[in-house]
Amino acid sequence: DAGVIQSPRHEVTEMGQEVTLRCKPISGHDYLFWYRQTMMRGLELLIYFNNNVPIDDSGMPEDRFSAKMPNASFSTLKIQPSEPRDSAVYFCASSRGWAEQYFGPGTRLTVT
Amino acid sequence: DQQVKQNSPSLSVQEGRISILNCDYTNSMFDYFLWYKKYPAEGPTFLISISSIKDKNEDGRFTVFLNKSAKHLSLHIVPSQPGDSAVYFCAASANFNKFYFGSGTKLNVKP
Repeated sequence: DAGVIQSPRHEVTEMGQEVTLRCKPISGHDYLFWYRQTMMRGLELLIYFNNNVPIDDSGMPEDRFSAKMPNASFSTLKIQPSEPRDSAVYFCASSRGWAEQYFGPGTRLTVT
Repeated sequence: DQQVKQNSPSLSVQEGRISILNCDYTNSMFDYFLWYKKYPAEGPTFLISISSIKDKNEDGRFTVFLNKSAKHLSLHIVPSQPGDSAVYFCAASANFNKFYFGSGTKLNVKP
């Protein structure tokens, strides 16, 4: 299996622009997670889905952030409008059941 | 409010010796714990897990110990190898709710 796939690996954008991060989970996994890692806050969960349904989005920082999972093999995390404080590494992870999660390589987002 | 804490940001160990990484938690409802390893520019990779019904779990060179009364878990790596140099995260979950991660400990294994 190819593992969790994230794109793009790096994104540089200007403040105010829309940013869309993409994730393809491991086939057969029914949970999908979006995390953000920063120096200040470490690794924090933003939102997770079970069978394509959002279960807990309490970690989404603001209404500027939204996530969708239209099918079992694809999810997006959108930031609109982006701000410099959104600069971080964003990870997508998936799991089969409530078990160990498999992380993608991350997207490094820089908002200038 | 950090529910999972890794109080040592870094640890340096000689190759062949034991590495002990520690993790403390505050929520007594946590019932499932995991350790992850992370290399630079990569996502975390799963190492080992333990549920609250056990106090020890082993997988090769890696052993996780859970002390529920102290709300403490530790990861032992024996013997340590240079390839083990990475950042290690512990994570905890309660009753199939979201995982909380510690801030990580950077392990350096010196040849």
